[in-house]
Amino acid sequence: DQQVKQNSPSLSVQEGRISILNCDYTNSMFDYFLWYKKYPAEGPTFLISISSIKDKNEDGRFTVFLNKSAKHLSLHIVPSQPGDSAVYFCAASDRVNNDMRFGAGTRLTVKP
Amino acid sequence: DSGVTQTPKHLITATGQRVTLRCSPRSGDLSVYWYQQSLDQGLQFLIQYYNGEERAKGNILERFSAQQFPDLHSELNLSSLELGDSALYFCASSVGTGTLNSPLHFGNGTRLTVT
Repeated sequence: DQQVKQNSPSLSVQEGRISILNCDYTNSMFDYFLWYKKYPAEGPTFLISISSIKDKNEDGRFTVFLNKSAKHLSLHIVPSQPGDSAVYFCAASDRVNNDMRFGAGTRLTVKP
Repeated sequence: DSGVTQTPKHLITATGQRVTLRCSPRSGDLSVYWYQQSLDQGLQFLIQYYNGEERAKGNILERFSAQQFPDLHSELNLSSLELGDSALYFCASSVGTGTLNSPLHFGNGTRLTVT
């Protein structure tokens, strides 16, 4: 049941450049989307979210874009910093079910 | 520090055994969620409790069960363990009944190894 998909297992970016992480979903009932960041030996931590009534949400260096018609969202990090190196999970939920579905994650490496 | 506490951090046990994983939610959070992360996989939703009652169920095996106690801490019981149950088990909490517009706060997980 892969309702949330992150097709890129890994991404490598140079420090100072933009990192773009992508996520696709299949369930049209999803109306709340989030990105979580996970460092080794720690639990995921909430990074940024977006409601389906918006197409963009920005928080400092992090911006999430939502394209509902394409069932696609992306996370932009600019400028990327070495401390951003982590696994990023995309997640989605809907009003009907109380669970939150996660993608498989993308490992981002930011090189100095 | 998310405020969510999970114990133990590591657990090694044999096939066929039973274990209990414990979670204390953030202060003020009424909902507890359990997730399983197998090697190189995403987080698989298992089950959610809100204020002591089961609220939502995901891909939880019949060999697994959970409960939330009056003090809001939760336990995940895994029985008749198999090698494939080896995984990281995360607990998360949130204020409300659902995840809508309410991010989850995760503990650091319990790593279960079944030998």
